[in-house]
Amino acid sequence: DGGITQSPKYLFRKEGQNVTLSCEQNLNHDAMYWYRQDPGQGLRLIYYSQIVNDFQKGDIAEGYSVSREKKESFPLTVTSAQKNPTAFYLCASSPQPQGTPYEQYFGPGTRLTVT
Amino acid sequence: AQTVTQSQPEMSVQEAETVTLSCTYDTSESDYYLFWYKQPPSRQMILVIRQEAYKQQNATENRFSVNFQKAAKSFSLKISDSQLGDAAMYFCAYRRGSTGNQFYFGTGTSLTVIP
Repeated sequence: DGGITQSPKYLFRKEGQNVTLSCEQNLNHDAMYWYRQDPGQGLRLIYYSQIVNDFQKGDIAEGYSVSREKKESFPLTVTSAQKNPTAFYLCASSPQPQGTPYEQYFGPGTRLTVT
Repeated sequence: AQTVTQSQPEMSVQEAETVTLSCTYDTSESDYYLFWYKQPPSRQMILVIRQEAYKQQNATENRFSVNFQKAAKSFSLKISDSQLGDAAMYFCAYRRGSTGNQFYFGTGTSLTVIP
């Protein structure tokens, strides 16, 4: 089945440590995205990538980094510079605008807790 | 920049009744797509319905339908015959047309279904 996988579902880290969240898709989508969701809030865009080896900052990129070495993979690193990293992280993908269907597909999310 | 506004943080509906969730958006584009996503307690984002701006006919998917008013920039979701499984956060989202890879989300409406 085609879809997006995120692992792990729950992740715990000590403050000051970098942590990498995994996101893999087998939908052959060009674009991939990372969102952060805090309790009772909407989705805030961290980074997105339209093609391999290219990515753009979203609204809240500070303290995060990404890479896009393969079309299928878009890992997100939460660095120690991120002041409040505890949150729910969602990865998504979509085809190019001229492709159909044109909506975003989402992974199941990773809940990161930093103490 | 595009903005998406959901003015109802919380809504409730009696089981089997009908409820309408509101969404307005701001854009200067004429070509775009609109979506409603559902996020149940599992936190998996699920596409409910999509609407192409160039289509005058309102989209419907079983018990879900939209009222798309392009001139008013309004995109409301109507849920008929509400079921307990409809209880979730609902997010309205916008995507620009032919060149748009970014999605813009509202802050969500939490829907409670009362048995």
